Amino acid sequence: AQTVTQSQPEMSVQEAETVTLSCTYDTSESDYYLFWYKQPPSRQMILVIRQEAYKQQNATENRFSVNFQKAAKSFSLKISDSQLGDAAMYFCAYRSLTSGTYKYIFGTGTRLKVLA
Amino acid sequence: GAVVSQHPSWVICKSGTSVKIECRSLDFQATTMFWYRQFPKQSLMLMATSNEGSKATYEQGVEKDKFLINHASLTLSTLTVTSAHPEDSSFYICSAGPGQGSYEQYFGPGTRLTVT
Repeated sequence: AQTVTQSQPEMSVQEAETVTLSCTYDTSESDYYLFWYKQPPSRQMILVIRQEAYKQQNATENRFSVNFQKAAKSFSLKISDSQLGDAAMYFCAYRSLTSGTYKYIFGTGTRLKVLA
Repeated sequence: GAVVSQHPSWVICKSGTSVKIECRSLDFQATTMFWYRQFPKQSLMLMATSNEGSKATYEQGVEKDKFLINHASLTLSTLTVTSAHPEDSSFYICSAGPGQGSYEQYFGPGTRLTVT
């Protein structure tokens, strides 16, 4: 069975600085998707970025980028020029492409605090 | 983007009563819908996966007789918490996937259930 691990329960970053959130996963599959979701205090889940495992190029979305290391099964999220609005819970998620189900497996989350 | 709504956003019920939560995909047809439960400061726990017109698949440890899931149409899934007890108080989130090769789930805003 697949597992997703986020080893940082909480992180802090100064406004305008850069922070990296860690995520590792375990799978025997070769095809899958990885996601980072943001959950602000409203608790609405917001997709931040996604990565297809077959793509070697790391995904980027404006200030958000990932470092995807398939062999190491690592998927970290880098937030550049941090803003106060980035403060939230961040969840890493895994989705199989071969198991026949579409369910996500979530990590335990990292709470990001942005300091003014 | 794809929008998923949930109703109600907040509900209080008395112990022993049943409460129904609706999840609707507003601008796409959702072949698969998911129900999650989230305790404070914790991750999303998948309760069940439902496909339109078929019985839901429950995750291990989830009481199917207590959490009744119906996915009667391609735009509506319902979660009924039967004979609710205070320990059922939680935040319930649904998500919907359009299927047809789409990798993504779209999340509803969640429903806070308080059982008194």
